[in-house]
Amino acid sequence: QVQLVESGGGLVKPGGSLRLSCAASGFTFTDYFMSWIRQTPGKGLECIAYITSSGRTIQYADSVKGRFIVSRDNPKNSVYLQMNSLRAEDTAVYYCARDRRDLMGGYYYYYLDVWGKGTTVTVSS
Amino acid sequence: EIVLTQSPGTLSLSPGERATLSCRASQSVSTTYLAWYQQKPGLAPRLLIYGTSSRATGIPDRFSGSGSGTDFTLTISSLDPEDFAVYYCQHHDTLWTFGQGTKVEIK
Repeated sequence: QVQLVESGGGLVKPGGSLRLSCAASGFTFTDYFMSWIRQTPGKGLECIAYITSSGRTIQYADSVKGRFIVSRDNPKNSVYLQMNSLRAEDTAVYYCARDRRDLMGGYYYYYLDVWGKGTTVTVSS
Repeated sequence: EIVLTQSPGTLSLSPGERATLSCRASQSVSTTYLAWYQQKPGLAPRLLIYGTSSRATGIPDRFSGSGSGTDFTLTISSLDPEDFAVYYCQHHDTLWTFGQGTKVEIK
C-alpha cells in the first residue's frame, strides 16, 4: 500500500527549531521527487520545497529560503524538513507529497498523487 | 509567478445537481501542468484530475476536467453526498502553486 507518514510536529517558540520526517512505503522511493506543502487557514496551500529523487537539487519557496532545509535518506525511504528560526506565520499543517513528473506521449505531466495525513506545527510563545 | 484564481468561492448545490468550478491562471499555462484536488475537513488533499482532463486512479467518471490557456474547469456531473468538499486547482511553475479553493456545500 502506497503511504506517506509525517511526524515531528508540535509546539515550538518563535526562533526555535523543529525537524519533520516523512516515511514512505509501498513504492520505489528513489524513483520520485518529493515535495513539502503546508496549509494555513489564511494562506491556503503553499508549496515550500521539493527535492529531486537523488537529493542533489532542492527548490525552496522564498518564504522559507535560508531558514528551512530539505533532505532525504533514500536507504531509509524518508524525507526531512529541518525548520529553523521559526516564526508565528510558519504555523500550519505540513504535508509531504509524492511529486510526479511523468513523460507521456512526448509531454511532461506534473502532479502530486500521494499525500501524507499531515503534521501540525504551532509556533507560539 | 503564475497566480490561480478560483471561482466561485462557495457553491451551494443539492445532491444530484451539476457543479461547475472555474480556475483562471494569470497567464497561459500548459495543460499538462494543471491538476485538481479534493479536500475534506481534517484530511489531506486528494488528487482528482491531472493533465487538465485525466482522472486519477479510482476517481469516478462523474468528475471531469477541461480547459486550455488561462481558463480551466472542473465539472461534477451529478453531485454525490460524498462530493461536498473544497476543491483546489494547481499548477507547477518553479514550485507548485494552488488556487484558493472552491467550497461545494449542501444547499
